Amino acid sequence: DTGVSQNPRHKITKRGQNVTFRCDPISEHNRLYWYRQTLGQGPEFLTYFQNEAQLEKSRLLSDRFSAERPKGSFSTLEIQRTEQGDSAMYLCASSRDSPWEQFFGPGTRLTVL
Amino acid sequence: KQEVTQIPAALSVPEGENLVLNCSFTDSAIYNLQWFRQDPGKGLTSLLLIQSSQREQTSGRLNASLDKSSGRSTLYIAASQPGDSATYLCAVISGANNLFFGTGTRLTVIP
Repeated sequence: DTGVSQNPRHKITKRGQNVTFRCDPISEHNRLYWYRQTLGQGPEFLTYFQNEAQLEKSRLLSDRFSAERPKGSFSTLEIQRTEQGDSAMYLCASSRDSPWEQFFGPGTRLTVL
Repeated sequence: KQEVTQIPAALSVPEGENLVLNCSFTDSAIYNLQWFRQDPGKGLTSLLLIQSSQREQTSGRLNASLDKSSGRSTLYIAASQPGDSATYLCAVISGANNLFFGTGTRLTVIP
């Protein structure tokens, strides 16, 4: 399967713990995106990488959130000191340059108790 | 800021019926528009991409149209099947490189 993969698929954690998610994009895609989706809503943009450079961050990405994409391959999203409001589905997508069609992974569902 | 609205929020139709889902956006300066399908608890599957210079795209029983000047897109599904039941999301890219999503239309096709 050459699609976008995400791990883990589910994560349950206690409030205050740190969590890290991984995204492996489609291999020839240089752009990688992170989104967050809560129940009944459309996904909301968090951050975007072009190769290894993080070019854009949403105001939703508080200082407890950090994302990396070393060597322009896989990416990690870390949430420190998790809060119950962080409970959501975290989605990763990748694309080539124009026309920037984005392909999504299956998501990581985070539950903060 | 770009805002995307999808109407209706939910739709139930009998199997075999043709249907139209609507999407509107506030900023017409878009690069492209994508329609996605999302099954419960799953990720998003890209259905169709319409570039800003295009008016429509077709894939099988799906046809999507784009009217940039009026800020509207429609997704037409022909001869609906129970397997089409899902949430359909519309998203646009404008200015920044991220997608702005609507809240989706939840479609139920009744056998």
